[in-house]
Amino acid sequence: DQQVKQNSPSLSVQEGRISILNCDYTNSMFDYFLWYKKYPAEGPTFLISISSIKDKNEDGRFTVFLNKSAKHLSLHIVPSQPGDSAVYFCAASAPMDSNYQLIWGAGTKLIIKP
Amino acid sequence: DVKVTQSSRYLVKRTGEKVFLECVQDMDHENMFWYRQDPGLGLRLIYFSYDVKMKEKGDIPEGYSVSREKKERFSLILESASTNQTSMYLCASSILGQPSQYGYTFGSGTRLTVV
Repeated sequence: DQQVKQNSPSLSVQEGRISILNCDYTNSMFDYFLWYKKYPAEGPTFLISISSIKDKNEDGRFTVFLNKSAKHLSLHIVPSQPGDSAVYFCAASAPMDSNYQLIWGAGTKLIIKP
Repeated sequence: DVKVTQSSRYLVKRTGEKVFLECVQDMDHENMFWYRQDPGLGLRLIYFSYDVKMKEKGDIPEGYSVSREKKERFSLILESASTNQTSMYLCASSILGQPSQYGYTFGSGTRLTVV
């Protein structure tokens, strides 16, 4: 049973336009949501996160929106640049006793076209 | 610059071999994780550890074991490698109970091919 879903395996966007990556979740106990970026042959790197008590977090070109009623979050990249071409993973933080664990989506491959 | 270091970037092993993947972190993190990444399947947790000599099974532990004798080192062992274990293996670490917004720090990954 997938608790975190990224329904689009890939997304192609023109350079300079907005990229919107989507993520849905099922568990209302998740307390943070995170986005990671991964280039081929490298490990994922942390991009941006949002607390479940907020609905928006912004960092430069990257903004994450959280809609708790719909159990949906999205990552907006404006403007999209060629270096943004990568696989993007959505992850949700599940509290476990005094620790936590990340639950991962399957990833969306973003391709920025020149 | 904090780091998670995986000993090999690329490995080719034969079916039936015993394979060791090593991971070292220099951040004094309590939590360490082993994942495998396959196209369309995302990151799947194999094992994790929250303390020296402690280990917990993840979602896909079959065919794998782990060892954590020192806080900074977490080893993944394929007891008898099989072709379906060909994958990208990722090690990660995090602080125990850290506010979740900081997430994990990952190594660069080991691309293992079993022939």
